[in-house]
Amino acid sequence: DIQMTQSPSTLSASVGDRVTITCRASQSISSYLAWYQQKPGKAPKLLIYKASSLETGIPSRFSGSGSGTEFTLTIRSLQPDDFATYYCQQYNSYSFGQGTKVEIK
Amino acid sequence: QLHLQESGPGLVKPSQTLSLTCTVSGVSINGGDYYWTWIRQPPGKGLEWIGYIYYNGSTYYNPSLKSRVTISGDTSKNQFSLNLSSVTAADTAVYYCARGWGSGYYRSWGQGTLVAVSS
Repeated sequence: DIQMTQSPSTLSASVGDRVTITCRASQSISSYLAWYQQKPGKAPKLLIYKASSLETGIPSRFSGSGSGTEFTLTIRSLQPDDFATYYCQQYNSYSFGQGTKVEIK
Repeated sequence: QLHLQESGPGLVKPSQTLSLTCTVSGVSINGGDYYWTWIRQPPGKGLEWIGYIYYNGSTYYNPSLKSRVTISGDTSKNQFSLNLSSVTAADTAVYYCARGWGSGYYRSWGQGTLVAVSS
C-alpha cells in the first residue's frame, strides 16, 4: 500500500498569507496526485489534479507542484473562503493523506 | 448535468451488512471511461477510499477492506451499490459516492450519507 503523509496537520494563518502544504508518498506515484478542499458538512472539492493542473473554476491563487514522492499545494494569498481542510489523494493505488486544517490565526 | 445521490439505512447493527446505493443522473454509468467510487469519512476524521466499479464492470477495492466489500452496478437503474459486511462501530462514517476521472481523481461527488453502526 502507498501511504500519503501530509504536513502540517494544522496550520494557522492570516488573510493574505502564502500557505504551503506538503504531501509525501511512501513510493513514487509519478504525477498521479490530486488536492481537495473540504468544508464542514460538505463533500470535498477538487482543486488540483495530475499534481499541477488547476481544475476549471478554481482561483489561480491555488497551485500544485511535485512529482514522484513529494508534492506541494500552495495558496498564494489566503482568502477568507480558503479556511478549510485540505487533502491530497494519490490515484496510483488510491489513498488520501490525513488532511491539513487551515485555520485563522 | 451529472448528479449523484446516496441512499440507504442510516443505522446498521454490528455484524450486519451495510448496503448503500448511489443513483446517478445525467450520464450512464457504463457510458464512458469513469470510475464509480465509494469513499467514506468517519466523524471528525479523514477520507478513506473504499473502492470502485469501472464503467466496464470491473472492480477494485481498498486492500484493507477487500474481504468485506462488494461494489456492483445496475445499468438498468443507472445505480451502483456498496455492500460492507460484518460491520463494527469503526465503520460509522459519512459515505460518499463519486465519479472518478483520468485513473481516479474526483470532480463529482454525492452529498454524502451518514451511516451509524450501533445496536
